[in-house]
Amino acid sequence: QSALTQPASVSGSPGQSINISCTGTSSDIDGYNYVSWYQQHPGKAPTLLIHDVSNRPSGLSNRFSGSKSGNTASLTISGLQAEDEAYYYCSSYTPSTTPLFGGGTKLTVL
Amino acid sequence: QVQLQESGPGLVKPSQTLSLTCAVSGDSISSGGYYWSWIRQRPGKGLEWIGYIYHSGSAYYNPSLKSLVTISIDTSKNQFSLKLNSVTAADTAVYYCVRYGDYVGFDYWGRGTLVTVSS
Repeated sequence: QSALTQPASVSGSPGQSINISCTGTSSDIDGYNYVSWYQQHPGKAPTLLIHDVSNRPSGLSNRFSGSKSGNTASLTISGLQAEDEAYYYCSSYTPSTTPLFGGGTKLTVL
Repeated sequence: QVQLQESGPGLVKPSQTLSLTCAVSGDSISSGGYYWSWIRQRPGKGLEWIGYIYHSGSAYYNPSLKSLVTISIDTSKNQFSLKLNSVTAADTAVYYCVRYGDYVGFDYWGRGTLVTVSS
């Protein structure tokens, strides 16, 4: 099983919007709507941002949104804030019942 | 509020067995609906799913670790455990216990525990 593919880094200025892509295959992202996204600040445990491609947990800021097209999922963060600087990981269900993670993307807020 | 707490030795010698336990509060692991997972993160690296177990005892493992890993569940204590055999320095990582649901992803995480493999 290969990990999902994410860019190693992205950056943006405060107030801007950024997108982080997550590319898989027809056997994972393209085949199911079980894509999730996680945010991890240094030294902390990851936290859930998005599940089922585009659903936010209760209470999470609507600045975070998710989408999917074919075998690529995307996380969009709008109105960038300094506290958004973190690592972001995508994950997808696979038919073998074993979840896959992406390699992670470091977001830098300039 | 669901809380998970990892516990176990922070230092394990090479070739020995790494053993960790995750205590769950705020949810009953025997109620079903979720998988109870272990995920690790090597220093400076990304997340690696190790495996998960359902309340019935059915367990699923990362194919790359399957021959070395056992995840078990103790519903009477509301906890689940990880055993990783024949560890090497490459198994040095922060180990997280996490709740997983098909419709909610990995929604609740423990704080993680650093396990170092060294003689």
